[in-house]
Amino acid sequence: AQKVTQAQTEISVVEKEDVTLDCVYETRDTTYYLFWYKQPPSGELVFLIRRNSFDEQNEISGRYSWNFQKSTSSFNFTITASQVVDSAVYFCALSEATDKLIFGTGTRLQVFP
Amino acid sequence: DSGVTQTPKHLITATGQRVTLRCSPRSGDLSVYWYQQSLDQGLQFLIQYYNGEERAKGNILERFSAQQFPDLHSELNLSSLELGDSALYFCASSVPGGWGYTFGSGTRLTVV
Repeated sequence: AQKVTQAQTEISVVEKEDVTLDCVYETRDTTYYLFWYKQPPSGELVFLIRRNSFDEQNEISGRYSWNFQKSTSSFNFTITASQVVDSAVYFCALSEATDKLIFGTGTRLQVFP
Repeated sequence: DSGVTQTPKHLITATGQRVTLRCSPRSGDLSVYWYQQSLDQGLQFLIQYYNGEERAKGNILERFSAQQFPDLHSELNLSSLELGDSALYFCASSVPGGWGYTFGSGTRLTVV
Protein backbone atom coordinates (compact mmCIF):
# COMPACT_ATOMS: atom_id res chain seq x y z
CA ALA A 1 0.00 0.00 0.00
CA GLN A 2 1.13 3.55 -0.61
CA LYS A 3 1.71 5.88 2.26
CA VAL A 4 3.29 9.26 2.84
CA THR A 5 4.54 10.30 6.27
CA GLN A 6 5.33 13.83 7.30
CA ALA A 7 6.38 13.44 10.89
CA GLN A 8 6.76 17.17 11.55
CA THR A 9 3.36 18.59 12.36
CA GLU A 10 4.52 22.14 12.88
CA ILE A 11 7.81 24.00 12.55
CA SER A 12 8.53 27.54 13.68
CA VAL A 13 11.57 29.46 12.56
CA VAL A 14 12.78 33.01 12.49
CA GLU A 15 13.25 34.74 9.17
CA LYS A 16 16.49 33.91 7.33
CA GLU A 17 16.83 30.54 9.01
CA ASP A 18 17.09 27.46 6.83
CA VAL A 19 14.41 24.82 7.37
CA THR A 20 13.99 21.26 6.14
CA LEU A 21 10.64 19.54 5.83
CA ASP A 22 10.81 15.76 5.95
CA CYS A 23 8.85 13.33 3.81
CA VAL A 24 9.04 9.54 3.91
CA TYR A 25 7.04 7.42 1.51
CA GLU A 26 6.07 3.79 1.08
CA THR A 27 5.30 2.10 -2.19
CA ARG A 28 5.63 -1.30 -3.79
CA ASP A 29 5.80 0.12 -7.30
CA THR A 30 9.08 0.75 -9.07
CA THR A 31 7.54 3.58 -11.05
CA TYR A 32 6.06 6.37 -9.01
CA TYR A 33 6.01 10.12 -8.71
CA LEU A 34 6.61 12.40 -5.77
CA PHE A 35 5.27 15.89 -5.31
CA TRP A 36 5.38 18.85 -2.97
CA TYR A 37 2.53 21.30 -2.65
CA LYS A 38 2.21 24.51 -0.68
CA GLN A 39 -1.07 25.61 0.86
CA PRO A 40 -0.96 29.25 1.97
CA PRO A 41 -3.56 30.68 4.36
CA SER A 42 -5.77 31.53 1.38
CA GLY A 43 -6.34 27.79 0.95
CA GLU A 44 -5.36 26.96 -2.61
CA LEU A 45 -2.89 24.19 -3.37
CA VAL A 46 0.22 25.47 -5.10
CA PHE A 47 2.33 22.96 -7.00
CA LEU A 48 6.05 23.18 -6.17
CA ILE A 49 7.79 20.17 -7.68
CA ARG A 50 7.35 16.68 -9.07
CA ARG A 51 9.96 13.99 -9.35
CA ASN A 52 9.76 10.54 -10.93
CA SER A 53 11.24 7.47 -9.29
CA PHE A 54 14.01 7.15 -11.85
CA ASP A 55 15.43 10.59 -11.29
CA GLU A 56 17.30 10.90 -8.02
CA GLN A 57 19.03 14.11 -8.90
CA ASN A 58 18.55 16.82 -6.35
CA GLU A 59 16.91 19.97 -7.55
CA ILE A 60 17.31 23.60 -6.62
CA SER A 61 14.91 26.36 -7.53
CA GLY A 62 15.83 29.67 -6.00
CA ARG A 63 15.62 29.30 -2.23
CA TYR A 64 13.98 25.89 -2.54
CA SER A 65 15.80 22.59 -2.86
CA TRP A 66 14.73 18.97 -2.79
CA ASN A 67 16.68 15.88 -1.77
CA PHE A 68 15.35 12.59 -3.14
CA GLN A 69 16.89 9.42 -1.72
CA LYS A 70 15.40 6.10 -2.78
CA SER A 71 17.61 4.22 -0.34
CA THR A 72 15.78 5.83 2.56
CA SER A 73 12.47 6.43 0.72
CA SER A 74 12.69 10.10 1.49
CA PHE A 75 11.96 13.26 -0.45
CA ASN A 76 12.92 16.16 1.79
CA PHE A 77 12.35 19.84 1.07
CA THR A 78 14.66 22.62 2.24
CA ILE A 79 13.93 26.31 2.25
CA THR A 80 17.04 28.45 2.51
CA ALA A 81 16.89 31.86 4.15
CA SER A 82 13.20 31.51 4.99
CA GLN A 83 10.86 34.46 4.62
CA VAL A 84 7.55 35.32 6.24
CA VAL A 85 5.82 34.62 2.91
CA ASP A 86 6.94 31.01 3.20
CA SER A 87 4.49 30.52 6.07
CA ALA A 88 2.08 27.86 4.89
CA VAL A 89 1.21 24.20 5.15
CA TYR A 90 3.40 22.03 2.96
CA PHE A 91 2.24 18.68 1.66
CA CYS A 92 4.28 15.84 0.25
CA ALA A 93 2.40 13.47 -2.05
CA LEU A 94 2.88 10.23 -3.98
CA SER A 95 1.25 8.74 -7.05
CA GLU A 96 1.63 5.29 -8.54
CA ALA A 97 0.26 3.55 -11.58
CA THR A 98 -3.30 3.97 -10.33
CA ASP A 99 -2.83 7.72 -10.72
CA LYS A 100 -4.46 8.84 -7.54
CA LEU A 101 -2.40 11.24 -5.49
CA ILE A 102 -1.90 10.32 -1.86
CA PHE A 103 -0.94 13.12 0.50
CA GLY A 104 0.95 13.22 3.75
CA THR A 105 -0.65 14.96 6.68
CA GLY A 106 1.24 18.18 6.01
CA THR A 107 3.73 20.29 7.90
CA ARG A 108 2.71 23.74 9.05
CA LEU A 109 5.61 26.16 8.71
CA GLN A 110 5.52 29.44 10.56
CA VAL A 111 8.21 31.96 9.79
CA PHE A 112 8.44 34.82 12.25
CA PRO A 113 9.99 38.18 11.43
CA ASP B 1 -6.34 30.52 -13.08
CA SER B 2 -5.23 26.86 -12.94
CA GLY B 3 -7.66 25.77 -15.63
CA VAL B 4 -9.71 23.65 -13.22
CA THR B 5 -12.93 25.39 -12.23
CA GLN B 6 -14.83 24.54 -9.10
CA THR B 7 -18.20 25.96 -8.17
CA PRO B 8 -19.42 27.21 -5.86
CA LYS B 9 -16.48 28.62 -3.92
CA HIS B 10 -18.41 28.75 -0.68
CA LEU B 11 -21.48 26.89 0.47
CA ILE B 12 -23.31 27.06 3.76
CA THR B 13 -26.08 24.60 4.40
CA ALA B 14 -27.93 22.89 7.22
CA THR B 15 -27.56 19.39 8.57
CA GLY B 16 -29.57 16.81 6.70
CA GLN B 17 -29.45 18.70 3.43
CA ARG B 18 -27.98 17.67 0.09
CA VAL B 19 -25.51 19.67 -2.00
CA THR B 20 -23.78 19.28 -5.33
CA LEU B 21 -20.25 20.46 -5.99
CA ARG B 22 -19.16 20.95 -9.56
CA CYS B 23 -15.78 20.63 -11.23
CA SER B 24 -14.71 21.43 -14.79
CA PRO B 25 -11.33 19.88 -15.58
CA ARG B 26 -8.52 21.49 -17.49
CA SER B 27 -8.95 21.20 -21.23
CA GLY B 28 -7.63 17.86 -22.45
CA ASP B 29 -7.50 16.18 -19.05
CA LEU B 30 -9.54 13.00 -18.86
CA SER B 31 -9.13 12.21 -15.16
CA VAL B 32 -10.90 13.98 -12.34
CA TYR B 33 -10.14 13.45 -8.67
CA TRP B 34 -12.02 14.61 -5.60
CA TYR B 35 -10.37 15.31 -2.28
CA GLN B 36 -11.72 16.32 1.10
CA GLN B 37 -9.68 18.46 3.45
CA SER B 38 -11.04 18.68 6.95
CA LEU B 39 -9.20 20.01 9.96
CA ASP B 40 -8.55 16.65 11.57
CA GLN B 41 -8.20 14.43 8.51
CA GLY B 42 -5.84 16.23 6.19
CA LEU B 43 -6.25 15.80 2.44
CA GLN B 44 -8.21 12.63 1.87
CA PHE B 45 -8.68 11.09 -1.56
CA LEU B 46 -12.35 10.44 -2.23
CA ILE B 47 -12.78 9.21 -5.77
CA GLN B 48 -11.33 9.29 -9.28
CA TYR B 49 -13.06 9.25 -12.65
CA TYR B 50 -11.40 8.65 -15.96
CA ASN B 51 -13.25 9.53 -19.14
CA GLY B 52 -16.61 8.98 -17.52
CA GLU B 53 -15.81 5.79 -15.64
CA GLU B 54 -15.04 5.39 -11.97
CA ARG B 55 -11.40 4.36 -11.67
CA ALA B 56 -10.48 4.43 -8.01
CA LYS B 57 -12.27 4.88 -4.75
CA GLY B 58 -10.87 6.13 -1.50
CA ASN B 59 -12.43 7.00 1.81
CA ILE B 60 -15.72 8.14 0.38
CA LEU B 61 -18.79 7.82 2.56
CA GLU B 62 -21.89 6.07 1.26
CA ARG B 63 -23.74 9.36 1.63
CA PHE B 64 -21.44 10.81 -1.01
CA SER B 65 -21.53 10.03 -4.69
CA ALA B 66 -19.91 11.39 -7.80
CA GLN B 67 -20.10 11.15 -11.53
CA GLN B 68 -18.30 12.39 -14.60
CA PHE B 69 -20.36 13.49 -17.56
CA PRO B 70 -19.66 13.11 -21.30
CA ASP B 71 -18.27 16.64 -21.43
CA LEU B 72 -15.85 15.50 -18.66
CA HIS B 73 -17.11 17.81 -15.97
CA SER B 74 -17.73 16.10 -12.67
CA GLU B 75 -20.13 16.52 -9.80
CA LEU B 76 -19.77 15.43 -6.21
CA ASN B 77 -23.06 14.93 -4.41
CA LEU B 78 -23.13 15.05 -0.64
CA SER B 79 -26.36 14.05 1.10
CA SER B 80 -27.71 13.81 4.63
CA LEU B 81 -25.06 16.29 5.59
CA GLU B 82 -23.55 16.23 9.05
CA LEU B 83 -21.52 18.84 10.89
CA GLY B 84 -18.43 16.72 10.32
CA ASP B 85 -18.78 17.09 6.56
CA SER B 86 -17.70 20.69 6.86
CA ALA B 87 -14.47 20.82 4.88
CA LEU B 88 -12.65 22.15 1.86
CA TYR B 89 -13.38 20.00 -1.16
CA PHE B 90 -10.82 20.02 -3.95
CA CYS B 91 -11.10 18.78 -7.46
CA ALA B 92 -8.04 18.00 -9.55
CA SER B 93 -7.58 16.87 -13.11
CA SER B 94 -4.73 15.15 -14.89
CA VAL B 95 -3.56 13.50 -18.02
CA PRO B 96 -2.98 9.73 -17.80
CA GLY B 97 0.18 8.52 -16.11
CA GLY B 98 0.21 10.35 -12.80
CA TRP B 99 2.71 12.89 -13.99
CA GLY B 100 0.82 16.11 -13.43
CA TYR B 101 -2.18 17.23 -11.46
CA THR B 102 -3.96 20.55 -11.62
CA PHE B 103 -6.06 21.52 -8.64
CA GLY B 104 -9.02 23.81 -8.51
CA SER B 105 -9.33 26.47 -5.86
CA GLY B 106 -11.72 24.36 -3.82
CA THR B 107 -15.24 24.59 -2.46
CA ARG B 108 -15.51 25.44 1.20
CA LEU B 109 -18.54 23.67 2.64
CA THR B 110 -19.89 24.69 6.00
CA VAL B 111 -22.66 22.59 7.54
CA VAL B 112 -24.52 24.33 10.34
